[in-house]
Amino acid sequence: KQEVTQIPAALSVPEGENLVLNCSFTDSAIYNLQWFRQDPGKGLTSLLLIQSSQREQTSGRLNASLDKSSGRSTLYIAASQPGDSATYLCAVSSQGGSEKLVFGKGTKLTVNP
Amino acid sequence: GAVVSQHPSRVICKSGTSVKIECRSLDFQATTMFWYRQFPKQSLMLMATSNEGSKATYEQGVEKDKFLINHASLTLSTLTVTSAHPEDSSFYICSARRGYEQYFGPGTRLTVT
Repeated sequence: KQEVTQIPAALSVPEGENLVLNCSFTDSAIYNLQWFRQDPGKGLTSLLLIQSSQREQTSGRLNASLDKSSGRSTLYIAASQPGDSATYLCAVSSQGGSEKLVFGKGTKLTVNP
Repeated sequence: GAVVSQHPSRVICKSGTSVKIECRSLDFQATTMFWYRQFPKQSLMLMATSNEGSKATYEQGVEKDKFLINHASLTLSTLTVTSAHPEDSSFYICSARRGYEQYFGPGTRLTVT
């Protein structure tokens, strides 16, 4: 059974700092991995999707890496801003196109002005 | 593109009553939609996979007779919580699949009194 763990559970940083969020998964046979952002009481916004054959994806100040063999992914946020404050969720889907996403509990990020 | 809406955004109902939540893909057709539940400070848990024109597939431990899912068209799936109880109070989020990505709705906060 796939399990996804995110560390740390919460992170508070000053504005402008670069930071890394971590995600690990127990079964390396994944189809893809996604990073989402969730604001309080809101739905999910997809940030980056990495296919199992890819090593990383970039979008603006965000960079996500994937090391499938070790079951790890990181989300790097450069030059953090108060608007980046949210909960960041990592989710993986299994091989075989089952489409089911297994989510971690998330990392709650607070960027202080 | 790829916008998913949910209605209502918030609902309060009395114990023993039923409540229906709608999930719509606004600008694309989705043969597959998913329903998730999220308890406070927990990760999203997949409840069921909704397939247009066929029966939903429920995850282990989810009562299909309590959580009725109907996917009558390519843009609409509904989740009906029957005989709701306070322990059903949660945040319900749907997603619609397009290609290999899932696009999420804004969620529905259900409170059962």
